Amino acid sequence: GIQVEQSPPDLILQEGANSTLRCNFSDSVNNLQWFHQNPWGQLINLFYIPSGTKQNGRLSATTVATERYSLLYISSSQTTDSGVYFCAVVSNDYKLSFGAGTTVTVRA
Amino acid sequence: EAQVTQNPRYLITVTGKKLTVTCSQNMNHEYMSWYRQDPGLGLRQIYYSMNVEATDKGDVPEGYKVSRKEKRNFPLILESPSPNQTSLYFCASSLSSFPGQGPSDTGELFFGEGSRLTVL
Repeated sequence: GIQVEQSPPDLILQEGANSTLRCNFSDSVNNLQWFHQNPWGQLINLFYIPSGTKQNGRLSATTVATERYSLLYISSSQTTDSGVYFCAVVSNDYKLSFGAGTTVTVRA
Repeated sequence: EAQVTQNPRYLITVTGKKLTVTCSQNMNHEYMSWYRQDPGLGLRQIYYSMNVEATDKGDVPEGYKVSRKEKRNFPLILESPSPNQTSLYFCASSLSSFPGQGPSDTGELFFGEGSRLTVL
């Protein structure tokens, strides 16, 4: 199956800082989603982004499918941004594979 | 409100006592699936269903059963739970039979709130 690697594994930010999370994948994919798992365990959809760039408020994402990576940008981070960020790729046989996640801690 | 609903959200049970975790979606989605999340192992797919009466094994199906008799429901059955099935379980669905296929209003995967299961 497709290998999905996320970096960094852990990130500690001061409130107001910007950051970039990366997701690399080992093969061509049909699609890619970014999720945020909040401290209560809920998985919240952030972006559905097979290619190109999308923005939603302080978050944006870019996927370069030909180079097999995606980036998630967090700007002006807030304590509510804390949690684990997962990317998940959909292979050509429609199987979903998750990365191990990046744990983000935003300190006030 | 469009949502994927799981029940129970929390459950403590004992080895061997059959249990069912229900999953229901109100979005007329074709595709539904179950995942378990364990520390250090991430999210792994248990079973999935591309439409009614069609189910297939994911990466870790041992010890689990599913059924898809109607479109909105996809229950996860543990016939004889064991402690290694202690985990956080998620149900997910997408409009498209093939998750990731199509624009975001069809191929996007939506998750339920999770069910934390402890088997003693």
